[in-house]
Amino acid sequence: DTAVSQTPKYLVTQMGNDKSIKCEQNLGHDTMYWYKQDSKKFLKIMFSYNNKELIINETVPNRFSPKSPDKAHLNLHINSLELGDSAVYFCASSHPGDERRNNEQFFGPGTRLTVL
Amino acid sequence: AQSVTQPDIHITVSEGASLELRCNYSYGATPYLFWYVQSPGQGLQLLLKYFSGDTLVQGIKGFEAEFKRSQSSFNLRKPSVHWSDAAEYFCAVGTTGYSTLTFGKGTMLLVSP
Repeated sequence: DTAVSQTPKYLVTQMGNDKSIKCEQNLGHDTMYWYKQDSKKFLKIMFSYNNKELIINETVPNRFSPKSPDKAHLNLHINSLELGDSAVYFCASSHPGDERRNNEQFFGPGTRLTVL
Repeated sequence: AQSVTQPDIHITVSEGASLELRCNYSYGATPYLFWYVQSPGQGLQLLLKYFSGDTLVQGIKGFEAEFKRSQSSFNLRKPSVHWSDAAEYFCAVGTTGYSTLTFGKGTMLLVSP
C-alpha cells in the first residue's frame, strides 16, 4: 500500500549513458513533481506536472525529460549522463483542489543515481 | 521569490533534552510552512504543516512548531528527544497557486547518550 514509489532505488551507470527513473503514486493525486537532492542534501525542484501537463520547469538542462503517461505516473528520463547528475532524485505528489492541499506534498523514497 | 534559511547545519542534543530547530522564511504573503524529516537513506516524511489559524501546530512523533509572522520564523520543537530522532530536518515553504516547495538546506540532528 505504498503511496509514492520509485524504481530503481539505486542506479549506477557510466557517463554518456541514458537512464530512466520511474515514479508511481496511488493516492489519486493530480500533481506530481521531481526534486533533486545534491551531495550537500540541498533539495531543489526540477519539474511539476498537473494532469499530465508540464506546469513548472526550473531551468533544468534539456537532457532531462519528464514523461507523464497518466496522472499516476511521472517518469524521468536522462540523456547523456554527466558526473554532476549524481544525486538523489525524489518524486512527490500532491492533492488537487484548494491550494493548501496542493502544497502538501508526499514524497517517494528516492533514487540514488551515481554516474561514474 | 521565496526562500528558507535554516541557520544551524548541525545540532547535537542529549537524549531526553529539549530540542529547537530554527527556520526563517522569506515570502511576501502568508506562507504555507512545513517540516520534513529524512532518516539516513530514507525519503522525506512530513512532520507537521502550517496553513492558517492557530500558530502553534502539532505534528507526529511529539513535534510541534510555532509560526511567528513578526519574526518570519517557524521553529520546530520537541520537549524530550529520543535517539531515534537523529536525522536530517528540512523546513520548507509553499506558496499560492500551483507551487512547489522551497526547502532550507537542512539541519542534521545528532543525539548523544
